Amino acid sequence: GAGVSQSPSNKVTEKGKDVELRCDPISGHTALYWYRQSLGQGLEFLIYFQGNSAPDKSGLPSDRFSAERTGGSVSTLTIQRTQQEDSAVYLCASSSVLRGAQETQYFGPGTRLLVL
Amino acid sequence: AQSVTQLGSHVSVSEGALVLLRCNYSSSVPPYLFWYVQYPNQGLQLLLKYTTGATLVKGINGFEAEFKKSETSFHLTKPSAHMSDAAEYFCAVRGSTLGRLYFGRGTQLTVWP
Repeated sequence: GAGVSQSPSNKVTEKGKDVELRCDPISGHTALYWYRQSLGQGLEFLIYFQGNSAPDKSGLPSDRFSAERTGGSVSTLTIQRTQQEDSAVYLCASSSVLRGAQETQYFGPGTRLLVL
Repeated sequence: AQSVTQLGSHVSVSEGALVLLRCNYSSSVPPYLFWYVQYPNQGLQLLLKYTTGATLVKGINGFEAEFKKSETSFHLTKPSAHMSDAAEYFCAVRGSTLGRLYFGRGTQLTVWP
């Protein structure tokens, strides 16, 4: 079946504007994750959803960042009042939950965000 | 808590040579371990994972890794490098519960002709 999809693939915005990034997980995957990848920072965890709830949002860097998931499927990551340090590739992943921690996370292609 | 250390941010090998990418982990519980590969402008793709059972794990593209509990290591190897192996490789660990992966900083592999 289809893999994880993310949109847009690229986003250029001006400092101070809000942006929304979308993730469509693999059908049937109830676990969804957001990570951020930037030069010099590696892969940073942002938030984890189980269904529509977020049991771990410890990686969100500030209150400008928020995420929601509706219908146990699509997730949106919103960054308000963007700053230049928000420039990064935002990666979404999803997984099944049947075998718990053994499950593989499947990653989307990412959204490349550039804040001017 | 879990963490991963990848020794060597850059590794260069000649085509046909052995590839060895190092990963050491720290985990307070028996870990689940993963290796992912990332090609330019793409997401991460799973190469292999260790969950339980056999400590030598075989993955895609001829890669394998061995879980050594006594050394807290999960090094990735491939007997003969190919030009197409040039990419960034990430080691990751997870504890006993479903949740985030803890990633290493990544190792960029360059393969010379």
